[in-house]
Amino acid sequence: DAKTTQPNSMESNEEEPVHLPCNHSTISGTDYIHWYRQLPSQGPEYVIHGLTSNVNNRMASLAIAEDRKSSTLILHRATLRDAAVYYCILRDVVETSYDKVIFGPGTSLSVIP
Amino acid sequence: DAMVIQNPRYQVTQFGKPVTLSCSQTLNHNVMYWYQQKSSQAPKLLFHYYDKDFNNEADTPDNFQSRRPNTSFCFLDIRSPGLGDAAMYLCATSTDRGRTKNIQYFGAGTRLSVL
Repeated sequence: DAKTTQPNSMESNEEEPVHLPCNHSTISGTDYIHWYRQLPSQGPEYVIHGLTSNVNNRMASLAIAEDRKSSTLILHRATLRDAAVYYCILRDVVETSYDKVIFGPGTSLSVIP
Repeated sequence: DAMVIQNPRYQVTQFGKPVTLSCSQTLNHNVMYWYQQKSSQAPKLLFHYYDKDFNNEADTPDNFQSRRPNTSFCFLDIRSPGLGDAAMYLCATSTDRGRTKNIQYFGAGTRLSVL
């Protein structure tokens, strides 16, 4: 699996936007960019994924650089419930049938009231 | 409603005493995974089932085994738990078809303590 690099930790004020960066300079053309997050004492949960175009869903937005070597997860308005570890993961779309989520260290996001 | 259910949430066992953790799912997903997560670390994949096919990660100790008697249930067996096996154990599922293809759904985990 191609490697991703994320900051160890970030802080945000409540109700402000949060931009969580991820570098993946060795990404291949068939790698999807996935984001999961893990709230304290919970299992990870899927947030969003994309291949080339920016993506939006009810939880977040994903902005993908034109060269695909980096991406940014955007939480438009951070709440205290968004305090979690956020994982950026590359998954090869060519792998058939199924593939595995291999977690890196992730970014621990703190939200300040 | 919980879709991936892990029981119990907390499990205490004695050093060397076999222990089994259970996972069930209501999603009818064909892939099930077991992860180990130690304190302040990322989850580490132990093994997974694609349907009935078992796939072990290369660095998973022999002390860890798994069973999947049917689509809905998967068990993690630790034959002789050591102090270093104390961790959160996470079960996850995914499907290889449809709109949610390859998105993993995790249970809340079982925290194992070894005395």
